[in-house]
Amino acid sequence: GQNIDQPTEMTATEGAIVQINCTYQTSGFNGLFWYQQHAGEAPTFLSYNVLDGLEEKGRFSSFLSRSKGYSYLLLKELQMKDSASYLCAVRDNDYKLSFGAGTTVTVRA
Amino acid sequence: DTEVTQTPKHLVMGMTNKKSLKCEQHMGHRAMYWYKQKAKKPPELMFVYSYEKLSINESVPSRFSPECPNSSLLNLHLHALQPEDSALYLCASGTGDNEQFFGPGTRLTVL
Repeated sequence: GQNIDQPTEMTATEGAIVQINCTYQTSGFNGLFWYQQHAGEAPTFLSYNVLDGLEEKGRFSSFLSRSKGYSYLLLKELQMKDSASYLCAVRDNDYKLSFGAGTTVTVRA
Repeated sequence: DTEVTQTPKHLVMGMTNKKSLKCEQHMGHRAMYWYKQKAKKPPELMFVYSYEKLSINESVPSRFSPECPNSSLLNLHLHALQPEDSALYLCASGTGDNEQFFGPGTRLTVL
C-alpha cells in the first residue's frame, strides 16, 4: 500500500512563494501527481513527475526525488485564486492512484 | 478537447431507487476511473477500466456496478444505496502515463 504525508494547512501572503511538501512510502512507484481542488469542485491536474528533478509550468513547479520518497509543489507569485486544497497522489505499478489527505492553502492579501 | 464530462451534476435518490451515473471522454484515453470523495477527504479509488476491461475493483459493495460500453463511455449503476453512500462521485480518464484528468463530478444524496 501507500503512505502519503503532506501538511494539513499553509498560509501565505499574496505575491509570495509557498512550497508544499509530500513524502511517500510505497510498495511500487509509477509516478507522482499534484492536483488543485477548490471547495465543491473536482480536482484539477497540475503536474506529473516520474523521473527525478524539477518540472516547471508557469507559476507552478513540481520536484521529485525517488530515492528520498519526496516531492514538493512550488507556487510562485501567489494569487487569491490559489487558495485551495492541493493533493499529492502516487501511482503504483498497478496504475492505482492513492491520494494524500491534501494541504489547504490560504492566500491572504 | 481535454475534457471529461459527467451527468448528472446532482442526483437525489431513495434507498430503493435504481439510477446511473454517466461519464464521457474523447481524448483517446485507455484508462477510465471511478472515485468517491466525501467532504474534506481525498478521493478514494473505486474502479479502474483499462482498454474497456475492468482491471481494478477496490472491494466496492455490489450495490455499485460499473460498466464500460466503449472506449469513450463509463457508467456507474446504483441500486439499493445507503445514506452513507452520499458523496461526490468523480470520473477520471488517463493515458496510463503522464495524464489523468477528472470530470466535474456528480454530487449524490441518498435519502
